[in-house]
Amino acid sequence: AQTVTQSQPEMSVQEAETVTLSCTYDTSESDYYLFWYKQPPSRQMILVIRQEAYKQQNATENRFSVNFQKAAKSFSLKISDSQLGDAAMYFCAYRSPNFGNEKLTFGTGTRLTIIP
Amino acid sequence: SAVISQKPSRDICQRGTSLTIQCQVDSQVTMMFWYRQQPGQSLTLIATANQGSEATYESGFVIDKFPISRPNLTFSTLTVSNMSPEDSSIYLCSVEPMLITNYGYTFGSGTRLTVV
Repeated sequence: AQTVTQSQPEMSVQEAETVTLSCTYDTSESDYYLFWYKQPPSRQMILVIRQEAYKQQNATENRFSVNFQKAAKSFSLKISDSQLGDAAMYFCAYRSPNFGNEKLTFGTGTRLTIIP
Repeated sequence: SAVISQKPSRDICQRGTSLTIQCQVDSQVTMMFWYRQQPGQSLTLIATANQGSEATYESGFVIDKFPISRPNLTFSTLTVSNMSPEDSSIYLCSVEPMLITNYGYTFGSGTRLTVV
């Protein structure tokens, strides 16, 4: 079974600075999907960014980018120019390519605090 | 991507009673997923609900405790039965995107359940 590990329970960053959240995963599959979700206090799960394992190019979405290292099974999220609205829980998630196993497996989360 | 309406948003229930949570999707989807998020924890999959077939439960979750209904391609319910304080959690439904290569999974806004 796949597992997802987020080793940083909490992180903090000064407003306008850059922060990187770590995520590693364990899988024997060669093609899969990875996601970062944000959960603010409203508890709504918001997709931040997604990556297909067959793509070598790292995904980017405005101030958010990933460093996808397939061989190392690492999928870190970089937030540039941090804003107060970025404060939330961030979850890394894995999705198998296999039919019948379309569920998301989540890491334990990282709570990000933005310091004004 | 799909939009999900989840009800109720919160409830306080007496132990021994049951609560039914509803999720309505604005488009037809094949799979719906039900997650539990215990206080301060990550999301754990309870079951996957396909229209026209019985739900598939994850290890540690049973149908008698969490019966699921999936009468059509846009609607599902999760019932938390014979509740105890340990069932106090946030419950979320989710759907897989029609095109996994283009979108992420969408989540309902969650139901915060407190059992007293």
